[in-house]
Amino acid sequence: SQQGEEDPQALSIQEGENATMNCSYKTSINNLQWYRQNSGRGLVHLILIRSNEREKHSGRLRVTLDTSKKSSSLLITASRAADTASYFCATGSMDSSYKLIFGSGTRLLVRP
Amino acid sequence: DTAVSQTPKYLVTQMGNDKSIKCEQNLGHDTMYWYKQDSKKFLKIMFSYNNKELIINETVPNRFSPKSPDKAHLNLHINSLELGDSAVYFCASSQVRGLSKETQYFGPGTRLLVL
Repeated sequence: SQQGEEDPQALSIQEGENATMNCSYKTSINNLQWYRQNSGRGLVHLILIRSNEREKHSGRLRVTLDTSKKSSSLLITASRAADTASYFCATGSMDSSYKLIFGSGTRLLVRP
Repeated sequence: DTAVSQTPKYLVTQMGNDKSIKCEQNLGHDTMYWYKQDSKKFLKIMFSYNNKELIINETVPNRFSPKSPDKAHLNLHINSLELGDSAVYFCASSQVRGLSKETQYFGPGTRLLVL
């Protein structure tokens, strides 16, 4: 079954507002990654947070990881119309080097 | 200077046909993957190759056969195409270091439509 579940499935906000997406997973992980997919395109890596980290920043992105709750959140601050995309979390279990399991994705619409 | 490239970008074919999708990466990575993304955007791993060796083979019908002639290429051949094979297929690559799951780099996708 799918490892990651994302919440909400869809999010519509006004440009300038912040967007928060959540991801929950089931097994112990090595790291958790967030990817963005623009319509009709491939996935692009945004940020990676390791299991011993609690928070990480990259530009307007802030990711948190709570391994006790098996959850992560992605915050996009001061959103722009260009942030409109689907956002996926991806996790891998500790026992396999090669496998990332992707969540179901959050579709973000930023209205200009 | 495309890092991960796939051909073709679009593929429209009849049920029962055999088709191939090609993938190449110029990142020097040792691991490549095929994913299938369905109409609900659900992305699922199909295969993974590490240094030309099959590592992951999820419960994919044996009509799907990956081939890795060298570590920069991972092709996907599909026999006897079915309507349910219609999806977007993504190739990806990464450099695996021990049990650390590093960033994966994705190709632009191949949109397959089976009629």
